[in-house]
Amino acid sequence: TQTVSQSDAHVTVFEGDSVELRCNYSYGGSIYLSWYIQHHGRGLQFLLKYYSGNPVVQGVNGFKAEFSKSDSSFHLRKASVHWSDSAVYFCAVSANYNQGKLIFGQGTKLSIKP
Amino acid sequence: GGIITQTPKFLIGQEGQKLTLKCQQNFNHDTMYWYRQDSGKGLRLIYYSITENDLQKGDLSEGYDASREKKSSFSLTVTSAQKNEMAVFLCASSMDSGGSDYTFGSGTRLLVI
Repeated sequence: TQTVSQSDAHVTVFEGDSVELRCNYSYGGSIYLSWYIQHHGRGLQFLLKYYSGNPVVQGVNGFKAEFSKSDSSFHLRKASVHWSDSAVYFCAVSANYNQGKLIFGQGTKLSIKP
Repeated sequence: GGIITQTPKFLIGQEGQKLTLKCQQNFNHDTMYWYRQDSGKGLRLIYYSITENDLQKGDLSEGYDASREKKSSFSLTVTSAQKNEMAVFLCASSMDSGGSDYTFGSGTRLLVI
């Protein structure tokens, strides 16, 4: 059984600050881990994905995520946030043996103070 | 570039009514999905389809039907709308069922009065 947990429902930082959005997972085999962003009133947009190789994955707009097998984590980070990064961020897991279905975490709302 | 379109954008229904939501994609993607998004609960999979005329139940399929008569379209039917129900229904597609990235539509917002 695959599960995804995002421990923070809401994170608030100042513009220019760094941010880390946390994601932990449980799985039973080879999986894909991904992050999606949802701006208010919109659908989700793909940010980045990890399957194998370099555990640090670079995404769009300066986002990156690091896979850790020992911690069962795939945290998303950005060194310096912009007000346009305000959105809800979803971590997700999928697997070939599960027909690629994405299982989503509950989401973390990121708010940026000016 | 392709696009995935959901219609209608807003849907107001009455209790007990059968309601149909539509989704079209022109990416030529094989796999399509319907998710329900409730505030604070993330996204839950209702139905998905890995090819034309295929239907697979997700975790939340009870109370819903789905149809994939063409590769490009995937419709979802709420069989009997529940009073005061409010949710966003998100359609997505992916190239295959092997972990490819999803492309999402902008959603259909449902309110049942």
